[in-house]
Amino acid sequence: SQQGEEDPQALSIQEGENATMNCSYKTSINNLQWYRQNSGRGLVHLILIRSNEREKHSGRLRVTLDTSKKSSSLLITASRAADTASYFCLLSAGNMLTFGGGTRLMVKP
Amino acid sequence: EPEVTQTPSHQVTQMGQEVILRCVPISNHLYFYWYRQILGQKVEFLVSFYNNEISEKSEIFDDQFSVERPDGSNFTLKIRSTKLEDSAMYFCASSEYLLAGAYEQYFGPGTRLTVT
Repeated sequence: SQQGEEDPQALSIQEGENATMNCSYKTSINNLQWYRQNSGRGLVHLILIRSNEREKHSGRLRVTLDTSKKSSSLLITASRAADTASYFCLLSAGNMLTFGGGTRLMVKP
Repeated sequence: EPEVTQTPSHQVTQMGQEVILRCVPISNHLYFYWYRQILGQKVEFLVSFYNNEISEKSEIFDDQFSVERPDGSNFTLKIRSTKLEDSAMYFCASSEYLLAGAYEQYFGPGTRLTVT
């Protein structure tokens, strides 16, 4: 896999359901961040998890990091229509930064 | 709340022309970045900049690209001789501290560059 692959590429769920998206990577990282992007606009930072952390929470967001599997997941609980956006992981290895391919999430009201 | 601003929001240029994209990072931030996103594709890292020097650059950031912090507030990306494939959304970002990936980045709204 390339550095920063996300799956699924697209996800469609009903409001109230949980959404899980995954980011896998190839080489070791220092930390991983998740960003949200609405319709090609600027990205908004959601959460950062460092390589020595396994799980972090922020509101309805839960991020896990498994360095042995080189993967991270973003869980959005109790989704809302306003969560409709693209979600990207950003991998940091030294000073090199790589975005994942993104997951397009659609939450239907 | 402080924000990163970018100008212009949309730039149309002819192939071979030079363009300068401008960004004003958040005032107390020390690390600056440029990314690009070709329509429908992933966001790609171009370059990071700290202390008036390039910290890191990707393979995309070849000799036709340059960055500059001409004064205390602006951060610019220059594309010397634009090609059709340079058409993309260009995002500027800044972060507070030295370790580029260790702190959240604040993104500007982007400049859409169209090369005809």
